[in-house]
Amino acid sequence: SAVISQKPSRDICQRGTSLTIQCQVDSQVTMMFWYRQQPGQSLTLIATANQGSEATYESGFVIDKFPISRPNLTFSTLTVSNMSPEDSSIYLCSVDAPLAAGTEQFFGPGTRLTVL
Amino acid sequence: AQRVTQPEKLLSVFKGAPVELKCNYSYSGSPELFWYVQYSRQRLQLLLRHISRESIKGFTADLNKGETSFHLKKPFAQEEDSAMYYCALKSYIQGAQKLVFGQGTRLTINP
Repeated sequence: SAVISQKPSRDICQRGTSLTIQCQVDSQVTMMFWYRQQPGQSLTLIATANQGSEATYESGFVIDKFPISRPNLTFSTLTVSNMSPEDSSIYLCSVDAPLAAGTEQFFGPGTRLTVL
Repeated sequence: AQRVTQPEKLLSVFKGAPVELKCNYSYSGSPELFWYVQYSRQRLQLLLRHISRESIKGFTADLNKGETSFHLKKPFAQEEDSAMYYCALKSYIQGAQKLVFGQGTRLTINP
């Protein structure tokens, strides 16, 4: 399995500012994912961050708005830049970890962001 | 395009009654489907996957390719089953994989 921690767990920010969310995993993993869950909505994939390569963004998400770092196999950051109230969401880090048979995707506890 | 549909946003049943959470998918390839659950104040966690053909906490889900469905069932609901349930499809596009989630169903088990 994989145990994921995220910092901060929640934050309240002013519009126009940026927030960096950290994701730490207790084991080395190749694939890390960042999701957004807007109020009352499902999870939407923002980007996939593999160590040693540029993050791959999903349609509707761009690097200038959501820059991602992946410096090693256990850590990643997601920055929400130039925030607006529409960015108020829960941001989740996820990893694909190997099991005895196949893989399983594990999720962090999430970062609840409120933009005023 | 890949898509997962959970038609019921809310579902409420009485304890001991059968429960079925519906999930339909759209995917051109061979699907890999999952059910995730999020209990109150806990993180999202995997409940079961179709390839394992397992029963977890009394829940089962059968992949029906003809109906493109992966409904989650339990014959006798328990109060501790109250949670948010998400159906998810793992898709592979140009060597990259991702999970596509349905909208989720909030299940409430009444005593």
